[in-house]
Amino acid sequence: GAVVSQHPSWVICKSGTSVKIECRSLDFQATTMFWYRQFPKQSLMLMATSNEGSKATYEQGVEKDKFLINHASLTLSTLTVTSAHPEDSSFYICSARYRETGYNQPQHFGDGTRLSIL
Amino acid sequence: QQQVKQSPQSLIVQKGGISIINCAYENTAFDYFPWYQQFPGKGPALLIAIRPDVSEKKEGRFTISFNKSAKQFSLHIMDSQPGDSATYFCAASRAGANNLFFGTGTRLTVIP
Repeated sequence: GAVVSQHPSWVICKSGTSVKIECRSLDFQATTMFWYRQFPKQSLMLMATSNEGSKATYEQGVEKDKFLINHASLTLSTLTVTSAHPEDSSFYICSARYRETGYNQPQHFGDGTRLSIL
Repeated sequence: QQQVKQSPQSLIVQKGGISIINCAYENTAFDYFPWYQQFPGKGPALLIAIRPDVSEKKEGRFTISFNKSAKQFSLHIMDSQPGDSATYFCAASRAGANNLFFGTGTRLTVIP
C-alpha cells in the first residue's frame, strides 16, 4: 500500500518552456502533498506544501509564480515549472500523506522527475 | 540552519558487517523520527520510524536506537548486504506540523 506515482520520470526541454509534473496517490487519499527539490548528492529541500482545495504554502525563497502548485483532488497534485531555465534543472520529488487523523502520519514519496532544461 | 545533523557523510562496510548512521537534533518538540532509504534515480522509501516514547525499534535487520536526553538517534543495519548500498536520510518532525526536516544523507556502500 501507500503508492505514490509521479509522472513524467524524466523530461528534457528547451529554455522558456513550461513543464508540468504530476503526483498521484494511487491507493490512498492524501490530504497533504509535498514538493521537494534535490540536487545531486544532496538532501531533499522542501519547496512547498500542498493541501487539497486550498493554496499551497511555499517555503522561504521559493518563487510561487515560478513553481505553480495545484492540488485539485485528494489523489492528485501538480507542479508546473513556468518558463523554465537551465538553473531549474534538478530532481523534483513529491510525497503524500494519508488523510487519516492522527499526527505525524508517514510521508510516502514518488520516484521523482528529473528535469533537464537546455 | 540544519535542524537535523547526520553523520557520517559516507560509509563503506564489508558484507555481513554492521552499518551505523547517526543523527542529532536540537528541537525538543520533535516527536517523530523516520529513516528513509534512497536508491539512485528513485524517491526515498520509508524504512523505519520511531517515536520518543521508546528507546529502540527493530524491524528485521534494521534497528533505530533513540536517546531522548542526548537528542540523538541512530540507524543500525545488521548483516549488511550489497543490496543495502544506498543513501540513507534521517528526518524529524513535530506533532501538528507538516514539515519533515531531513538530515544531509549518508551514502552507504556495502562491499562483497
